Amino acid sequence: DIQMTQSPSSVSASVGDRVTITCQASQDIINFLSWYQQKPGKAPTLLIYDASNLETGVPSRFSGSGSGIDFTFTITSLQPEDIGTYYCQQYDNLPLTFGGGTKVEI
Amino acid sequence: EVQLVESGGGLVQPGGSLRLSCAASGFSFTSYWMTWVRQAPGKGLQWVASIKQDGTEKNYVDSVEGRFIISRDNAKNSVSLQMNSLRVEDTAVYYCARAPFGRGSYSDYWGQGTLVTVSS
Repeated sequence: DIQMTQSPSSVSASVGDRVTITCQASQDIINFLSWYQQKPGKAPTLLIYDASNLETGVPSRFSGSGSGIDFTFTITSLQPEDIGTYYCQQYDNLPLTFGGGTKVEI
Repeated sequence: EVQLVESGGGLVQPGGSLRLSCAASGFSFTSYWMTWVRQAPGKGLQWVASIKQDGTEKNYVDSVEGRFIISRDNAKNSVSLQMNSLRVEDTAVYYCARAPFGRGSYSDYWGQGTLVTVSS
């Protein structure tokens, strides 16, 4: 199974700050990586797919980059509505696996 | 508007069975793989199973292989997860999700989830 190591596990930042989350795969996953946001008590929502493609309707302050084993997710200017937990997911191989999550607080 | 609505969760004893259902609407159901993902209380996300458009291919995470069965009814736009020999560690919110690009795909739409509690 491909292990996804996500860091940090939590981050506290101020409104307007830049927030960066990293995700490292245990093997090359090319660019088959997605990022999700999950707000408390809600289902996850897709933000980024194929490592860097912004899902339709997602604000442009969210972005993703990387390929191979190292990936980065960035919120360029943190907003109050961005609080929640963020997960990366690889879909290069079954079983599909997720990172452990990063809780973003203000 | 794409909608996925899960049902069937509840409290069940260890060793028992439960069947989850997911009703899909707002898209061409027969064009998509469908997936179940679960989340134990306070924990992260875990992929459980996926099924091909015509139901001929099914994939499972090892921990549920042989106990869970994913199926779909394309006439009713629904996907199901039959869970047998349930264990305490199967306790989780179960989400139904759409997979736009096959067995190896991200999930672009998710249901609201249904809680399964396995406890004596």
